Parts: sequence; structure tokens; C-alpha cells
Amino acid sequence: AQSVAQPEDQVNVAEGNPLTVKCTYSVSGNPYLFWYVQYPNRGLQFLLKYITGDNLVKGSYGFEAEFNKSQTSFHLKKPSALVSDSALYFCAVRSYSGAGSYQLTFGKGTKLSVIP
Amino acid sequence: DTGVSQDPRHKITKRGQNVTFRCDPISEHNRLYWYRQTLGQGPEFLTYFQNEAQLEKSRLLSDRFSAERPKGSFSTLEIQRTEQGDSAMYLCASSPPRDRVSGANVLTFGAGSRLTVL
Repeated sequence: AQSVAQPEDQVNVAEGNPLTVKCTYSVSGNPYLFWYVQYPNRGLQFLLKYITGDNLVKGSYGFEAEFNKSQTSFHLKKPSALVSDSALYFCAVRSYSGAGSYQLTFGKGTKLSVIP
Repeated sequence: DTGVSQDPRHKITKRGQNVTFRCDPISEHNRLYWYRQTLGQGPEFLTYFQNEAQLEKSRLLSDRFSAERPKGSFSTLEIQRTEQGDSAMYLCASSPPRDRVSGANVLTFGAGSRLTVL
């Protein structure tokens, strides 16, 4: 079964510093990986995805993620954190269930707090 | 189209009552998903529709849960005889037909319907 793990429940970073939110995955076959962000009382918003190609994927709001096949990781990064980046971040992997049915399997989430 | 709409946003009910949530997906999206999210957890898959056909159901979807998508447009999720353990955020998401460029679908989520069972 496909799965992702987010080893940190919470990450604290000072405003202006670089941030990293970690994700590791376990899949059979080629991984399709995603990052979503969730603000309080809001739905999940898509940030970026990795399908194939360059290992460094750029997404919304200045975020990027680095795919590392040997370490089975897909860490989310941003060079300079903003207070407004404070939110819940979810890593996800696409799971194929047969008959053309795809769904996303999510990690437990990491709460990012950017300290002014 | 302003995105995926869910109604109601909040529902408080007494144990044993039935509740129904509605989801209106993005109009050109033929795929629709229901997820459940409890505090401190990531969203968990419940069920999936392609057009009007319900193609997959999670084991989390007990026989008290039923979902429909008549005519392949909006969808409803009904929970019968609610229990306190059903308290959660119920998220709906939709996606377009398979992305021919990347081969992977990006799910667009609604804001969710929060259920509290007393």
C-alpha cells in the first residue's frame, strides 16, 4: 500500500529564515507526490506536485520541494519564511485502486509556525 | 465557478440523528471524492465517484454512511444514526478527467462540513 510519513508534528522557524517540512514515502512503482496546505477553518489548497522530470519542483507562494528517490523523501522548502506561511502542511501520495480509480493518501500533517 | 462548495459548513446534532452533507464540485470536474478529517490527523479517504458511478468505498465507510451523485453533478453524503465518533470535518474534493499532460490529477478541496455529535 502507498503511504507517506511526516516525522514532525510541528516545525517552528523564525521569519526570514529558510524552512523545511519533511516527508518520506513508501510506494510500489513510480511515486506521484503532492503537498497541500490548510489554513484554519479552510479546505486544503494545492501547493505543488512531483510526477516526473526535475527533482526540484516549484509551486505556489514561493514553495518548492525536492524529490530524492534514494532517500524516498519529498521535503517541502522555502528560502525565506513569512508569518503568513503558518499553517498545516500535508504531504500526499497518489494511490491507484484499479479500474481507473485514483485517490490521495495523506500524511498526518505538520504544523508550521513562523515566529515574527 | 468559484470552486468546490460544501453545505452546511457546520452541523451540530444529537447522537442517533441523521445528517446529510452536500457538495457541489467544479462544473467541468467529473471526479468527486469524500474525505474525513479528525483533529490532528490528515484527511482519510471515504469514497470516490467518476461521473455518477461510485467506483470505490473505503472500509471506513460503514453501512451507516451512504453517498450519492445523481446525474454526475452534486453529491450528498448521509450519515444515519450518528455516533459521537462521527464528529469530524467532512471534506469534498473534485478533479478533472485525467490530466493528459502530467497523468496525475490535482484535487481541489472544498472548505469542509464540520460535524459535531453530542
